[in-house]
Amino acid sequence: DIQMTQSPSAMSASVGDRVTITCRASQGISDSLAWFQQKPGKVPKRLIYAASSLQSGVPSRFSGSGSGTEFTLTISSLQPEDFATYYCLQYNTYPHTFGGGTKVEIK
Amino acid sequence: QVQLVQSGAEVKKPGASVKVSCKASGYTFTRYFMNWVRQAPGQGLEWMGIINPGGGGTSYAQKFQGRVTMTRDTSTSTVYVELSSLRSEDTAFYYCARDLIPDYWGQGTLVTVSS
Repeated sequence: DIQMTQSPSAMSASVGDRVTITCRASQGISDSLAWFQQKPGKVPKRLIYAASSLQSGVPSRFSGSGSGTEFTLTISSLQPEDFATYYCLQYNTYPHTFGGGTKVEIK
Repeated sequence: QVQLVQSGAEVKKPGASVKVSCKASGYTFTRYFMNWVRQAPGQGLEWMGIINPGGGGTSYAQKFQGRVTMTRDTSTSTVYVELSSLRSEDTAFYYCARDLIPDYWGQGTLVTVSS
């Protein structure tokens, strides 16, 4: 199985900060990576697919990059509604696998 | 509009089985794969497997092989996940999620395993 290692597992940031979250795959997955945001008590929401394609309706402050084994989710200017947990998902090979999650908290 | 409506919460004893349903509406049921993802309380997301509602083919995570069965009923646009030999570690919210890259999610079904 492909392991997805996400870092950091948690972070504190302030409104307006630039935030970067990394996901590393244990083997190459091309660009078959998606990012999800989950708020407490809610279902996950797809933000990015194909590593860098922004889901319709998602603010442009979210961006994704990477290919192969190293991927990044960037929030250019953190907003109050962005405090949540973020997960990556590889869908290149079965079984699909999620990263462990990154909880973004208010500093 | 796309909707995925799951069955209600379940409480099961260790060793029992549970079957959760997910009824789809608002799109052509057979055109989109359906994932099952679970989340233990306070924990991360865990991919369990996927079913092709068109042909019925499935792929399961190794962790659940032998204990999980995913099926579908095209007449009612419903997919099911059944998990057997339940243990306390299976206590979690179980979600259905549409498409290879999940776009729409069910509301979740809490399965509690307790003696």
